[in-house]
Amino acid sequence: AQRVTQPEKLLSVFKGAPVELKCNYSYSGSPELFWYVQYSRQRLQLLLRHISRESIKGFTADLNKGETSFHLKKPFAQEEDSAMYYCALRGPGNTGKLIFGQGTTLQVKP
Amino acid sequence: DTAVSQTPKYLVTQMGNDKSIKCEQNLGHDTMYWYKQDSKKFLKIMFSYNNKELIINETVPNRFSPKSPDKAHLNLHINSLELGDSAVYFCASSPGQNSGANVLTFGAGSRLTVL
Repeated sequence: AQRVTQPEKLLSVFKGAPVELKCNYSYSGSPELFWYVQYSRQRLQLLLRHISRESIKGFTADLNKGETSFHLKKPFAQEEDSAMYYCALRGPGNTGKLIFGQGTTLQVKP
Repeated sequence: DTAVSQTPKYLVTQMGNDKSIKCEQNLGHDTMYWYKQDSKKFLKIMFSYNNKELIINETVPNRFSPKSPDKAHLNLHINSLELGDSAVYFCASSPGQNSGANVLTFGAGSRLTVL
């Protein structure tokens, strides 16, 4: 079964500290993975996708097929990074369906 | 200009009532979705339509009935509301179903509270 697991419900770090938001997936085919972010009082929006191999707002995520992981990393956290982060996996077939993890709240303290 | 707009933003109602949430997108996207976010913030897909055709129906009770009058609109009607229906319902759209077109744009959410 396709599944996305984000083991941490809450991650709290100090400003300037490195951040790693964990995401593991279960998928039999070739996975397509995303990170979505929801800032306070804003709508859920795409942060990055693995096929783009880009860095957005200092965040990067590398797909590790051996460990079935797609962890989100940033070397130096900023207070404005505080938000809810969802890892998502594109579902099977051609339906456009995204399977989301449970979400991790990142709290960056001053 | 809001890309994906949902109404109402908040809805408080009694058990047993019937209610609707409307969604419209002005992005010219072909595919629209309804997701449910429960009290633990878990996001789960409910329905998806592509060009007015239902393509995903994710074991949702048949009290929930989506309707897509055209590809820019996807409404959600809920009959006989139950306490467990309390959640935030998110509408989303994407250019298509295929890889590469699979980036979702979300609405702001509609918070439904059933008393």
